[in-house]
Amino acid sequence: QSALTQPASVSGSPGQSITISCSGSFSDVGGYNFVSWYQQHPGKAPKLMIYDVTNRPSGVSNRFSGSKSAYTASLTISGLQAEDEAYYYCSSYTDRSTYVVFGGGTKLTVL
Amino acid sequence: QVQLQESGPGLVKPSQTLSLSCAVSGGSISTGTYYWSWIRQPAGSGLEWMGRISTSGNTNYNPSLKSRLTISMDTSKDQLSLKLTSVSAADTAVYYCARGRATGRSHDFWGQGTLVTVSS
Repeated sequence: QSALTQPASVSGSPGQSITISCSGSFSDVGGYNFVSWYQQHPGKAPKLMIYDVTNRPSGVSNRFSGSKSAYTASLTISGLQAEDEAYYYCSSYTDRSTYVVFGGGTKLTVL
Repeated sequence: QVQLQESGPGLVKPSQTLSLSCAVSGGSISTGTYYWSWIRQPAGSGLEWMGRISTSGNTNYNPSLKSRLTISMDTSKDQLSLKLTSVSAADTAVYYCARGRATGRSHDFWGQGTLVTVSS
């Protein structure tokens, strides 16, 4: 069982916006502004899309945005494109000895 | 641009030791405000952080693996190493090395991953 809770799947049509949630606790998501999001296509390595809740690495489309409220972080993808279909994982700093925790992943389907 | 490349045997027998290497190019593993992690992913499952080593050589391990895991670095070769002892089928996974930002603990560069199967 993953430390962070994500929905197993979300879907949307091209051009629409979707949001993926990531729920944690005071020891991770709720206590620190250090949530990151990764995109993973089948057979590929994860790619960092968002770090420190809201920041995008250079080269990541501004269609991807992050936010946080209390113990839940969110990844929003606007203007959905077929290439966005992938798994998305959230991750957070934690003050527990596990050091870094991940969510179980969300499969995004572009209809 | 930092690049990471994992290497090692794809098949390990139960109870033996799994050894992997990660070659880093495009930057030194001993400089900067970064650390270097090993992260694994069983087939069809999520990501599990295994452990990390800082640029100064300090290590942190996931408590669930701490008794079996050793992460080290060879700064002369810009190479990381992982050793996991007493493996079982539960250790079958794709193993990634990744660079972590010291602040916030996000991982900005990843290797392509290497599949390790534990089977007799």
